[in-house]
Amino acid sequence: AQSVTQLDSQVPVFEEAPVELRCNYSSSVSVYLFWYVQYPNQGLQLLLKYLSGSTLVKGINGFEAEFNKSQTSFHLRKPSVHISDTAEYFCAVSDPGSARQLTFGSGTQLTVLP
Amino acid sequence: EAQVTQNPRYLITVTGKKLTVTCSQNMNHEYMSWYRQDPGLGLRQIYYSMNVEVTDKGDVPEGYKVSRKEKRNFPLILESPSPNQTSLYFCASSLSAGGNTEAFFGQGTRLTVV
Repeated sequence: AQSVTQLDSQVPVFEEAPVELRCNYSSSVSVYLFWYVQYPNQGLQLLLKYLSGSTLVKGINGFEAEFNKSQTSFHLRKPSVHISDTAEYFCAVSDPGSARQLTFGSGTQLTVLP
Repeated sequence: EAQVTQNPRYLITVTGKKLTVTCSQNMNHEYMSWYRQDPGLGLRQIYYSMNVEVTDKGDVPEGYKVSRKEKRNFPLILESPSPNQTSLYFCASSLSAGGNTEAFFGQGTRLTVV
């Protein structure tokens, strides 16, 4: 079974600074990778996904992530954060051969400080 | 508007009193699932359904039941709730079971069992 590790449970960062949220997954022949965002009192919303092809994936709200197969990582980045980016971010993996769909990491709370 | 609707949003109940959390989607999705979210653990899948009358256990099914009599509805049933089922619950749907399809999440149901 797949597993996902988000190394940082909390990441505080000042407004307009860059940020990287780290995600590592257990190895497999092939996987699909996702980042979801959860704003306070809301459900999860897809930020971006990697299915195949280019290892650099661009998502909504200026976020991007890079798939690194050798390091089994899928880190999320944004060059300049805004207060409105304050939310919890979840990395998730999907095994193409499984009907169980998404396995989530434990989440990273990003807090953007003024 | 395409959406997944859960009810109720908040629920406080007593140990042992049966309850049902409803979930409905209007996107004609085949695949639906239930997750629970607990601090530091991320989202864990409880049950999933690949289509009408087809359901299966996820990672944490103990104490829960589901049914899928219609494509749009996927209720979560707690026959005898216990305090360790206090959690935030999310229903999700996607076009198919394929791991490359986006999952759409409801707003969540915060359940407290006393």
